[in-house]
Parts: sequence; structure tokens; C-alpha cells
Amino acid sequence: EVELVESGGGLAQPGGSLRLSCGASGLTFSNYAMSWVRQAPGKGLDWVSLISGSGGSTNYADSVKGRFTISRDTSTNTVYLQMSSLRGEDTAIYYCAKHRGAASGDYMDVWGNGTTVTVSS
Amino acid sequence: DIQMTQSPSSLSASVGDRVTITCQASHDISNYLTWYQKKPGKAPKVLIYDASNLETGVPSRFSGTASGTYFTFTISSLQPDDLATYYCQQYAELPPTFGGGTKVEI
Repeated sequence: EVELVESGGGLAQPGGSLRLSCGASGLTFSNYAMSWVRQAPGKGLDWVSLISGSGGSTNYADSVKGRFTISRDTSTNTVYLQMSSLRGEDTAIYYCAKHRGAASGDYMDVWGNGTTVTVSS
Repeated sequence: DIQMTQSPSSLSASVGDRVTITCQASHDISNYLTWYQKKPGKAPKVLIYDASNLETGVPSRFSGTASGTYFTFTISSLQPDDLATYYCQQYAELPPTFGGGTKVEI
């Protein structure tokens, strides 16, 4: 069974940084693209970033481009989201999600339970 | 970006009712659409993929159809466990975009 477990959330000050991690088990990690999706309090789901199975291709929502960096480590089956220049509107639950295939053009079929990021002074 | 217009934003129904949610894409997305169920404090769960295919293990009371850029999600007989918010999402092109969600109350 595929399992995704996020960690690294917490309280950060505006302008600060956080690094989220997502550990994956039960799968051949490099076979699948991975995404981060967030849900702000009282709001809907909002895609943040994607990395291909090989790690050679990354994509970002306009709202985080230039501030967030997605990466993956095949040796530890972990996906990371480095967040910097944080803003209040980045406050959300961040979910890690696995895509059905290695490339971007497929749906997210397995999700973690999320980690909470709060940006406040 | 492809906009996904989902309606209604909320609905109230009784156990056993037939419930229908719609989603319209701003551009052609073929059948690259998923329906998710989201409960508070839980991870989103895939119910339908490729517009009309039932994810493994999902009860058959859930179904999806497509007609051009118009997509429909149906719960044939609402159950108490179906209390949740439902989202459509397109994956035809980047960025993946979600509908605004439909909160189903019983």
C-alpha cells in the first residue's frame, strides 16, 4: 500500500522560510510525479508545485514562483518543498500527492494527511 | 489557466436522495477530469478519474459523466458517510486546477 507522510510544518514569520518533507513508501518512487497542494483555512484546494518522476522537470503556481522550490531525493523516497519569503496568504494545510504516472499529465491518486503551515508575526 | 466552474457551492439532501454536482471547464480538457471527496482533517480521496472511471474500492453509488466541457458527478443514493466537500480537478494541462468545491450536507 502506498503511503505518504508529510512533515516540517509549523509557525513561520512573514518573510521567513520553512522546508516541508514528504516521505513515500510502498512504491517505486522514481516512477511517479509528485505534487504539493494546499488548502487555506475555509478555502478550496489549490495546486502549488509538481516534480516529474525523474526530477528533471518542475512546475509552480504563479503565486509561489520564485519563492518555493520543489525537489526529490530518490535515495530516501522523499519530496521536499522549500518555502521562502513566506506571506500570510501561504498559511494553509499542505498536502503531498502522488500522480498516477511519471509525467505531469495525470491525476493525483494518493494523498498524504497534510502538514499545517502558519505564517504570522 | 483552465478555469473550472463548479456548482452548486453547497447543497442539503436527505439519506437516499440522488445528488448531482456539475463542473464546466473553460477550455477543452477531453476527459482529463477527476472528482475528489474531502472530509475535514482527512486527505482528499479520489472517487472518479478520467471523467467516468470509478477508482478501485469506491462504492458504485458514485458516478461521473462527460459531455464536451461539461462534467457531472452523481451520488445515486446519498449515505450518511457522504457528508463531505467534493471537488472536480482537470489534469489536461498545467497548472492543474480545481473547481471551487461543493459542500454536501445531510
